[in-house]
Amino acid sequence: DAGVTQSPTHLIKTRGQQVTLRCSPKSGHDTVSWYQQALGQGPQFIFQYYEEEERQRGNFPDRFSGHQFPNYSSELNVNALLLGDSALYLCASSRRWGNTEAFFGQGTRLTVV
Amino acid sequence: DAKTTQPNSMESNEEEPVHLPCNHSTISGTDYIHWYRQLPSQGPEYVIHGLTSNVNNRMASLAIAEDRKSSTLILHRATLRDAAVYYCILRVQIQGAQKLVFGQGTRLTINP
Repeated sequence: DAGVTQSPTHLIKTRGQQVTLRCSPKSGHDTVSWYQQALGQGPQFIFQYYEEEERQRGNFPDRFSGHQFPNYSSELNVNALLLGDSALYLCASSRRWGNTEAFFGQGTRLTVV
Repeated sequence: DAKTTQPNSMESNEEEPVHLPCNHSTISGTDYIHWYRQLPSQGPEYVIHGLTSNVNNRMASLAIAEDRKSSTLILHRATLRDAAVYYCILRVQIQGAQKLVFGQGTRLTINP
């Protein structure tokens, strides 16, 4: 089992550009959540997807959007990048039903210059 | 969001027990208490979780106060590989969706 895989691992973008990050969940998981982790801080919840719809959203602007595909994989899109968007972006997968743990990927390190 | 409060850092010696405290005084009745740890350059790794009763697994034990306003993660015999940032987290359920509300975490240092 490959666990949660994220791509790319590192990315450098310029202010104002757009970026797409990708996540494949652990086998058997149908729910994907995205988190932003600034340096030295705990991860902050961005949003959660299951059944191909956004179900819950954290305190992030509309520049942050996502998508979930029929195979449960997911994308995170960020438009009009700001320097403050530089962070580690983490994807976590879980099962919707049942009190089970979430599995995190290694993350994508985004640097905005 | 309900929040957790942890010490910024703690230090212990190898092969000794470690008790990591966490306060969550605003916890609601349906919030689960989860603990994750994060090694440098890695995503968080699940450690243990519970609702009301104390829990044990191969990695650690979780002691939950009777009023659920605090909990303690217990590593019974710390090794150097246990050095990490430990997050005490509330798993909040809202309208069928669940999210993990992270705090700042405790950086655990293990001395050889």
